[in-house]
Amino acid sequence: EVHLVESGGGLAQAGGSLRLSCAASGFPFSGYWMSWVRQAPGKGLEWVANIKQDGSEREYVDSVKGRFTISRDNAKNSLFLQLNNLRVEDTAVYYCARESAHYSQCDNWGQGTLVTVSS
Amino acid sequence: EIVLTQSPVTLSLSPGERATLSCRASQSVGNYLAWYQQKPGQAPRLLIYDASNRATGVPARFSGSGSGTDFTLTISSLEPDDFAVYYCQRRAFGGGTKVEIK
Repeated sequence: EVHLVESGGGLAQAGGSLRLSCAASGFPFSGYWMSWVRQAPGKGLEWVANIKQDGSEREYVDSVKGRFTISRDNAKNSLFLQLNNLRVEDTAVYYCARESAHYSQCDNWGQGTLVTVSS
Repeated sequence: EIVLTQSPVTLSLSPGERATLSCRASQSVGNYLAWYQQKPGQAPRLLIYDASNRATGVPARFSGSGSGTDFTLTISSLEPDDFAVYYCQRRAFGGGTKVEIK
């Protein structure tokens, strides 16, 4: 069974940093693109970033370019999202998800980790 | 950047009724479109991928159609468990349609 578990969320000040992690199990992690998706409180879903199987390609939504960095460690079946220069509007639940089809269609999701940015 | 517009924003229906949800893309996305269901406090659940393929374990009452710029998610007969928010996605997500009990 596919299992994705996020961690690393919490409270940060505007301008600060956090590092999110996602532990994957139950599937060949190195064989899949992976995504991060976020959801602000009471709002819709927003795709944030994704990374190719070997880490050689990464894409980001415009609002986080230059501030967030996605990475992975296939030896440890782990996905990461480094959040720098945080803004209040980055407050959201961040989900790790496994891509199963083109353009970040995701078939398995973690339970999410909450990031709260205070001013 | 492709923008997805979902309509209606809210759909009020009774159990047993048919639900028809729309997703329109600002430019052609071929058939690379997914539909998700999300309930309060839960992660999204993939229902449909590549516009018309049901994901594993998804009941047959859910179906997807369309290509290019216009897509539809149809729930043939609403079950009590189907009342939720539905999103379309082609990397970016649409704004969602809430299916609520009338």
